[in-house]
Amino acid sequence: DGGITQSPKYLFRKEGQNVTLSCEQNLNHDAMYWYRQDPGQGLRLIYYSQIVNDFQKGDIAEGYSVSREKKESFPLTVTSAQKNPTAFYLCASSRGTANTGELFFGEGSRLTVL
Amino acid sequence: AQRVTQPEKLLSVFKGAPVELKCNYSYSGSPELFWYVQYSRQRLQLLLRHISRESIKGFTADLNKGETSFHLKKPFAQEEDSAMYYCALMDTGRRALTFGSGTRLQVQP
Repeated sequence: DGGITQSPKYLFRKEGQNVTLSCEQNLNHDAMYWYRQDPGQGLRLIYYSQIVNDFQKGDIAEGYSVSREKKESFPLTVTSAQKNPTAFYLCASSRGTANTGELFFGEGSRLTVL
Repeated sequence: AQRVTQPEKLLSVFKGAPVELKCNYSYSGSPELFWYVQYSRQRLQLLLRHISRESIKGFTADLNKGETSFHLKKPFAQEEDSAMYYCALMDTGRRALTFGSGTRLQVQP
């Protein structure tokens, strides 16, 4: 079954803890993205990576970190520095380094900070 | 900075009525625009892109550079069109999409 797999679907975290969200793809896509989705605000870009071992900050990167050690994987760490981490997080990928605009999305991970 | 605005959070129509989901953008370059859709319990997916000038599931969208708009239209709504719709703009420098806040379309029987 091809596609983007995000895990876990639901995650609870205490304040002050870091948490890592997993994103794996078997589509052989070069580019991967992390978006945050909040009610009434749409999707906001956190980080993106066009190629292995390289990534760039998006519009709301503060308090987040990523790595891209393998083509298939693009984990997102929500650090304790992120002031409002409770949100729905979406991972996506696209073919090639020249993004045609077609993103393939995962099912998302919902993080709740207690 | 580029921006995508979807002024309506919710649009409710009756089956068979015309639908127009509004999208306005601000961008200094030549825009590449898209509509994405998320049906209930499904993943967000591409519906159509302006460069293709295609009709998907009866939906069309025309880029109007003068009005900086990319409204999504369908002449006769179906109940299965009920979903969340997002307009998106390509940042050609970053090759990443900027999304609007989304419009929920409800088609009532």
